[in-house]
Amino acid sequence: NAGVTQTPKFQVLKTGQSMTLQCAQDMNHEYMSWYRQDPGMGLRLIHYSVGAGITDQGEVPNGYNVSRSTTEDFPLRLLSAAPSQTSVYFCASSYLTSGRGQTQYFGPGTRLLVL
Amino acid sequence: GDSVTQMEGPVTLSEEAFLTINCTYTATGYPSLFWYVQYPGEGLQLLLKATKADDKGSNKGFEATYRKETTSFHLEKGSVQVSDSAVYFCALSDLGKTSYDKVIFGPGTSLSVIP
Repeated sequence: NAGVTQTPKFQVLKTGQSMTLQCAQDMNHEYMSWYRQDPGMGLRLIHYSVGAGITDQGEVPNGYNVSRSTTEDFPLRLLSAAPSQTSVYFCASSYLTSGRGQTQYFGPGTRLLVL
Repeated sequence: GDSVTQMEGPVTLSEEAFLTINCTYTATGYPSLFWYVQYPGEGLQLLLKATKADDKGSNKGFEATYRKETTSFHLEKGSVQVSDSAVYFCALSDLGKTSYDKVIFGPGTSLSVIP
């Protein structure tokens, strides 16, 4: 049981380049999400998904695209990288709540530097 | 909207000192409350949680009590160790307009414990 995995661990991009951050989970979680972590700002939600084929925007979606073709995978695409997207990106997953207080499971993060 | 406020630190303590990290929240509904911990170079992981008023979450010597009357969920530990050095995030989850929980994170509090 690998939990939530993310690749790559570290990436350097030039302004204007595109790339895809990969996220996969093997816990059969319906809910998956992407956050970015910046100093002094905590975690901010970029996009989330409540199941295959269903995605929605979070707090800071501009410049990012997502899709969810399978339960396991939730890639994050940067269409045209900008220096403001330099950050650490975390993928998380959880069961959709039928009760209260589902635990979020986080991947190890991808550190992205845009020059 | 929902929000979480916590002391940002950094907090520096000597080994065996008492730790308190304050967390307060605002929520339109009846949220579940969490503390997540992020060790250096890793993703976030659940430390403890509480789902209803007066519940006490506990784990690894850390405790926090859900106080609805003061909308607080302060994290405490009686005797910190060097290995507790990490960033601590307070979070809440609340039912949004849909049937799944919306998770809001505080900005994080960095803790350094020195021998």
